[in-house]
Amino acid sequence: GQQLNQSPQSMFIQEGEDVSMNCTSSSIFNTWLWYKQDPGEGPVLLIALYKAGELTSNGRLTAQFGITRKDSFLNISASIPSDVGIYFCARRGGAQKLVFGQGTRLTINP
Amino acid sequence: GAGVSQSPSNKVTEKGKDVELRCDPISGHTALYWYRQSLGQGLEFLIYFQGNSAPDKSGLPSDRFSAERTGGSVSTLTIQRTQQEDSAVYLCASSLREAADTQYFGPGTRLTVL
Repeated sequence: GQQLNQSPQSMFIQEGEDVSMNCTSSSIFNTWLWYKQDPGEGPVLLIALYKAGELTSNGRLTAQFGITRKDSFLNISASIPSDVGIYFCARRGGAQKLVFGQGTRLTINP
Repeated sequence: GAGVSQSPSNKVTEKGKDVELRCDPISGHTALYWYRQSLGQGLEFLIYFQGNSAPDKSGLPSDRFSAERTGGSVSTLTIQRTQQEDSAVYLCASSLREAADTQYFGPGTRLTVL
C-alpha cells in the first residue's frame, strides 16, 4: 500500500508529441510530487500538488492530483529534446523522507 | 550559489573493501538526506539528518552502512565490507528545513563493487 506505481516505465516519442504519464497507489496521500532526473544528475522538483483535484502547470508541464487522492498524472505538451530524462513521482513517507516511484524514462527520437 | 556537491563522482572498489562517500549540502540547509538508486530503479531512502537531532536511520539496509554529519554540514556515508549488491548511485539531498518537499539533490556518486 505504500508503494507508488508509475506507468509507463518507458516512452519513445517523436519531438513535438505530447506525453502523459501517471502514478498510482492503493493508499491515500496528501502530497504528490513530480521530479525529473537528467542523465548523470540528481532529481529536480518540477511540480508539487497538495490538494485533491488540484491542477498545476509549470510551462509545458501540467500535473493533477487525483480526486481519490490515490493517483496523479503528469503531462508534457509539445515535447522538445531537453525533456529527455527520467520522471519520478514521489510522496511523503513520514515527516522527512520522500518515497519515489520507479520512474518513467522518456526518450525522444530525432 | 553552489548546489549540493558529492565526491567522488565515481568509485570502483573490490568486494570486501570499505568506502566513504562525501556530501556537501547547500549552505544553511539544516536537513540532509541520503538515497540509493539502483540501476533502473527509483530512489530508496537511506538516512536523514536534521540539525542536532538524532538521525533517522530507518532506511539503512544493513549494519554495514553508517553515516555521520559533522558540524551540521558535511556528511559522510560509509559502507563497510562492500558487496556487489551495493553497486548503485548514492544521492545526497538537502533542504532548508525538515519535511520540505523541495529537496535539492547532488549529482550522486556511482559506486561499482567488483
